[in-house]
Amino acid sequence: GQQVMQIPQYQHVQEGEDFTTYCNSSTTLSNIQWYKQRPGGHPVFLIQLVKSGEVKKQKRLTFQFGEAKKNSSLHITATQTTDVGTYFCAGSNSGYALNFGKGTSLLVTP
Amino acid sequence: EADIYQTPRYLVIGTGKKITLECSQTMGHDKMYWYQQDPGMELHLIHYSYGVNSTEKGDLSSESTVSRIRTEHFPLTLESARPSHTSQYLCASIMGTEAFFGQGTRLTVV
Repeated sequence: GQQVMQIPQYQHVQEGEDFTTYCNSSTTLSNIQWYKQRPGGHPVFLIQLVKSGEVKKQKRLTFQFGEAKKNSSLHITATQTTDVGTYFCAGSNSGYALNFGKGTSLLVTP
Repeated sequence: EADIYQTPRYLVIGTGKKITLECSQTMGHDKMYWYQQDPGMELHLIHYSYGVNSTEKGDLSSESTVSRIRTEHFPLTLESARPSHTSQYLCASIMGTEAFFGQGTRLTVV
């Protein structure tokens, strides 16, 4: 079945540094989504990318979908302590359930 | 926004007991999923449903079963709980391709 790989598994940054997590799929995706899970919480939807090469921004967060629709990235500029959590990508092909990557746990120290 | 409810939030139960984890959503979504997640780890898809009377097993082998008799209700049952079932169970309801997660049930089997 479809596999979604995510790296790195963990990232520890100082507040103000940038952060990037990468997501790669073994198959072409119809769309990719990003979720954030705070410690002790549940995943919360951030954004969905659908088009090849698509780039979307949410304040300090920039999301990209690769030209081949097999990879994606999430970049956070100037991290803050409120960015702490685990970031998951989730991919789907038509008619198949969402498959989540293993997630990248971000720790931000002041 | 979808309203999705999981009960109980926390459950401690003895080995061999039968348990049912409840999941309900009020938005009429057809697609619903169950994920299993150990603390700080990845989400494993264990069951999904595309509508009433539709249930499929996910990628992670699970000894649980599900039913979907009504659109709004997607309960998960463990016939005989074991310590290896200790985990967090997350239910999600899908609107379009966006997943809305419940708060989760943290299950401990002693």
